[in-house]
Amino acid sequence: GENVEQHPSTLSVQEGDSAVIKCTYSDSASNYFPWYKQELGKRPQLIIDIRSNVGEKKDQRIAVTLNKTAKHFSLHITETQPEDSAVYFCAEPRRPGTYKYIFGTGTRLKVLA
Amino acid sequence: NAGVTQTPKFQVLKTGQSMTLQCAQDMNHEYMSWYRQDPGMGLRLIHYSVGAGITDQGEVPNGYNVSRSTTEDFPLRLLSAAPSQTSVYFCASRRQGQESQPQHFGDGTRLSIL
Repeated sequence: GENVEQHPSTLSVQEGDSAVIKCTYSDSASNYFPWYKQELGKRPQLIIDIRSNVGEKKDQRIAVTLNKTAKHFSLHITETQPEDSAVYFCAEPRRPGTYKYIFGTGTRLKVLA
Repeated sequence: NAGVTQTPKFQVLKTGQSMTLQCAQDMNHEYMSWYRQDPGMGLRLIHYSVGAGITDQGEVPNGYNVSRSTTEDFPLRLLSAAPSQTSVYFCASRRQGQESQPQHFGDGTRLSIL
């Protein structure tokens, strides 16, 4: 199918806690897994991505993990801050040719001060 | 580089009117796409292009036309606007490559159909 399953749809955490968002993809041959952040009224922007030849990638407080067996990848945000509040999207470039770039339905993260 | 530029930023139309949303990129990207974003629906792919002269349908193409006469421009046309097309529209571009590349988005066009 066309959908990329993303959970949860909303997530509230206390400032300083961790947040985890998970996406399940459909094509076992997919090799690129990005995460985008969209602040209110703004464009989506890439925050981190991972390729299928590694299982985890970190960039300061954010990390992405990949489980190819289960066909899912997750975004981890540690030590959350109020500015992390946004909508987060995963995406999957679909074959053939990875021309079609399909997004998940998004997760609205709210960090409570 | 300006990146991906969309015009207009806001537009109000009456049902049945036609209009064109403009998108231009100055990064020499081969791939360009149009998405619509509705509350709770995420980003849905309308049409995409892999190069000048080549376009294809995405998830929700009905009611929209596109063309790609140059690498830089990828306009989206609404032939006869309907209230169901009220949405925020994003244009995106990315480089071609054997491995997938990240998308670069414009600032969006907020469209209301009355």
